[in-house]
Amino acid sequence: AQSVTQPDIHITVSEGASLELRCNYSYGATPYLFWYVQSPGQGLQLLLKYFSGDTLVQGIKGFEAEFKRSQSSFNLRKPSVHWSDAAEYFCAVGTMNRDDKIIFGKGTRLHILP
Amino acid sequence: DTGVSQNPRHKITKRGQNVTFRCDPISEHNRLYWYRQTLGQGPEFLTYFQNEAQLEKSRLLSDRFSAERPKGSFSTLEIQRTEQGDSAMYLCASSFALHGDEQFFGPGTRLTVL
Repeated sequence: AQSVTQPDIHITVSEGASLELRCNYSYGATPYLFWYVQSPGQGLQLLLKYFSGDTLVQGIKGFEAEFKRSQSSFNLRKPSVHWSDAAEYFCAVGTMNRDDKIIFGKGTRLHILP
Repeated sequence: DTGVSQNPRHKITKRGQNVTFRCDPISEHNRLYWYRQTLGQGPEFLTYFQNEAQLEKSRLLSDRFSAERPKGSFSTLEIQRTEQGDSAMYLCASSFALHGDEQFFGPGTRLTVL
């Protein structure tokens, strides 16, 4: 069965510092991989997705993620965080079945220090 | 189009009462998904529709839960005889029926069962 692990429940970084959020997945084939962000009172917003091809994926808001098959990882990075990046971040794997349902990790809450 | 909308945004009910939530997807999307998100967890898949057909239901969806999507447009999720364990955020998402297409999420309905 597919699963996603986000080992860090909370992460705190200073504004302007770099960020890396970790994600490991379990899936029997090449997965679809996603990163979503959820701000208080807001719906989930897609930051980026990986389906195939280039393993370094660029997303919105200056985020990028790298797919590493050998490590079953899909870590999210940003070179310089802004206070507005404080939110909950979810890594997710999409099934290759016709239903396209998404399996989410438990999330990492990002705190930004001024 | 303003995206996926959900009503109500908040619902407080007493244990044993029935509640119904509504989701209006993006108009040209023919797939509609329901997810449930509890505190400290990522969203969990409940069910999905392609047009008016409900194609899959998670084991999380007990007999007290029923979802409909008449005419393949809006969808309703009803919970009968609510229990305190039903307290959660209920999220709706929609997408095109293209394999791997992005799911767009609504803001959710937060249910509190007293």
